[in-house]
Amino acid sequence: KAGVTQTPRYLIKTRGQQVTLSCSPISGHRSVSWYQQTPGQGLQFLFEYFSETQRNKGNFPGRFSGRQFSNSRSEMNVSTLELGDSALYLCASSAITGGDLDGYTFGSGTRLTVV
Amino acid sequence: AQSVAQPEDQVNVAEGNPLTVKCTYSVSGNPYLFWYVQYPNRGLQFLLKYITGDNLVKGSYGFEAEFNKSQTSFHLKKPSALVSDSALYFCAVRGYSSASKIIFGSGTRLSIRP
Repeated sequence: KAGVTQTPRYLIKTRGQQVTLSCSPISGHRSVSWYQQTPGQGLQFLFEYFSETQRNKGNFPGRFSGRQFSNSRSEMNVSTLELGDSALYLCASSAITGGDLDGYTFGSGTRLTVV
Repeated sequence: AQSVAQPEDQVNVAEGNPLTVKCTYSVSGNPYLFWYVQYPNRGLQFLLKYITGDNLVKGSYGFEAEFNKSQTSFHLKKPSALVSDSALYFCAVRGYSSASKIIFGSGTRLSIRP
């Protein structure tokens, strides 16, 4: 079966712009979680969506937002980009909220560079 | 609150030698524990998990991990390292509550020299 698909793979944006990242989970998975990965901070939890509802949220400013559609696809939006937002953004899908007993299945990520 | 600590940023091992990547955790109640591996410019791949039962769990690529409840540790091990094991390894924990999320450690870079 198809894996987790994240688009685009790479993005270069200018400070102050906004960006939207997309994630299509594994078919049948209803939970999508987003993580930010940076060399110094490791993986930081952004938020989780399950059945179109935000179930959990990490400690990120309000510039970071997300949503989930009825087909479980999710988008993440970052407004007013800052240089520090440069990171690999990873999407993870699971059948149940919080990750099922096999944890998550991750996409390959979107590499965002803010200049 | 849940937390995971990977005390070593980097572990260097000669090929053929045993390897250990350390992980300690903090969670209320019994934990779900995971190890993931990440290769350059890729997402994380699941290696193994501990849910309940035998404290020694076996996973992909010859890796295993030992759950120690008294020390709240879940160290990743392999009897004989391969150069191809060189990658970034993440330990993760989740509580039993349906409201829990998976929290990851900061990662340990494993470097296997020929």
